[in-house]
Amino acid sequence: GQQVMQIPQYQHVQEGEDFTTYCNSSTTLSNIQWYKQRPGGHPVFLIQLVKSGEVKKQKRLTFQFGEAKKNSSLHITATQTTDVGTYFCAGSRFTNAGKSTFGDGTTLTVKP
Amino acid sequence: SAVISQKPSRDICQRGTSLTIQCQVDSQVTMMFWYRQQPGQSLTLIATANQGSEATYESGFVIDKFPISRPNLTFSTLTVSNMSPEDSSIYLCSVEPNTGELFFGEGSRLTVL
Repeated sequence: GQQVMQIPQYQHVQEGEDFTTYCNSSTTLSNIQWYKQRPGGHPVFLIQLVKSGEVKKQKRLTFQFGEAKKNSSLHITATQTTDVGTYFCAGSRFTNAGKSTFGDGTTLTVKP
Repeated sequence: SAVISQKPSRDICQRGTSLTIQCQVDSQVTMMFWYRQQPGQSLTLIATANQGSEATYESGFVIDKFPISRPNLTFSTLTVSNMSPEDSSIYLCSVEPNTGELFFGEGSRLTVL
């Protein structure tokens, strides 16, 4: 079955440093989504990427979708303490996200 | 977006009992999804709840263990039957109001003793 791998599992950074998490799928995807889960909270949708090579930005967050539509990355510039949480990618072979396969997540801690 | 309410938010249950989790959405949606998130783990799709038809279960999940109801387009329930400590997890209800965007309820944290 489809597998989605995410690295690193944990990342500890000093406030102000950059952070990147990588997501790789075993199969070509129709779309990939990114979610953030704060400690004790539920996953919150961040963004969806659909097009090969797509790059989207949300303030300090930059999301990329690989040319082959099998990998993706999330980069945070100048991390802040509010960025702490677990970031999940989720890949779908279908247009809809409901049957997406979630990566294992990258847990980010930020030291002030 | 969508506002999703889940009940209960948490519960502690005895082995062998069953618990029903409710999910209410503030708008009509075709499909509702039930996920499980074991402690420190990722999200795993249990089943898709379809209004007017049987739920569709993912590999490794069966109706006898996780019966699902979907009486209308804004409500669904998931029952965790004959619970064991291995069922201790967060159970999350989710909808896709816009294609490619999943919105989650706050989750139901279940502890089985």
